[in-house]
Amino acid sequence: AQSVTQPDIHITVSEGASLELRCNYSYGATPYLFWYVQSPGQGLQLLLKYFSGDTLVQGIKGFEAEFKRSQSSFNLRKPSVHWSDAAEYFCAVGGGSQGNLIFGKGTKLSVKP
Amino acid sequence: GAVVSQHPSRVICKSGTSVKIECRSLDFQATTMFWYRQFPKKSLMLMATSNEGSKATYEQGVEKDKFLINHASLTLSTLTVTSAHPEDSSFYICSAPMAAGGPYNEQFFGPGTRLTVL
Repeated sequence: AQSVTQPDIHITVSEGASLELRCNYSYGATPYLFWYVQSPGQGLQLLLKYFSGDTLVQGIKGFEAEFKRSQSSFNLRKPSVHWSDAAEYFCAVGGGSQGNLIFGKGTKLSVKP
Repeated sequence: GAVVSQHPSRVICKSGTSVKIECRSLDFQATTMFWYRQFPKKSLMLMATSNEGSKATYEQGVEKDKFLINHASLTLSTLTVTSAHPEDSSFYICSAPMAAGGPYNEQFFGPGTRLTVL
């Protein structure tokens, strides 16, 4: 069965520091991978997605992610974190039985001034 | 990008009452919509798939008689929580893919509805 693992429940970084959020997936075929961000009490905003092609994907707000098939990973990165990046980040894979997305448990990002 | 709205954004109700949540695709037609539930500090769990013109498909463990879903048109799906109880308090989020079928279709999420049952 498809699944997504985000090993880090909570990460704290200093403003201006680099960030990497980990995501591992389990999927039998070519995965379609997504990263979403959720601010408190809000819905989900798509940061970036990977369907095929270049394994380094650029997204909004300066985020990027790299698909590594050999490691079944799709880690999210940002070279310099801003205080406004504090939020919950969800990795997801497409291909649920109904065409839905399957989400990881999320990683909460806190940013220190 | 495509927009999905939800109404209401927040609702507080008494135990035993029913609550209806609307999910609308504003600038595209959605033959399929998904309803997710998110518990505090937890991920989104698919509750059901709403299909225009046919019955909804519920995930295992979700009571179909408690969570009634109606996909009335190509732009509207409703989730009615019947005889709500405090354990139904949660954040409910809908989403709609731009096109039917396929795991690769980007989905657009509504802003969510916070339900609190007293």
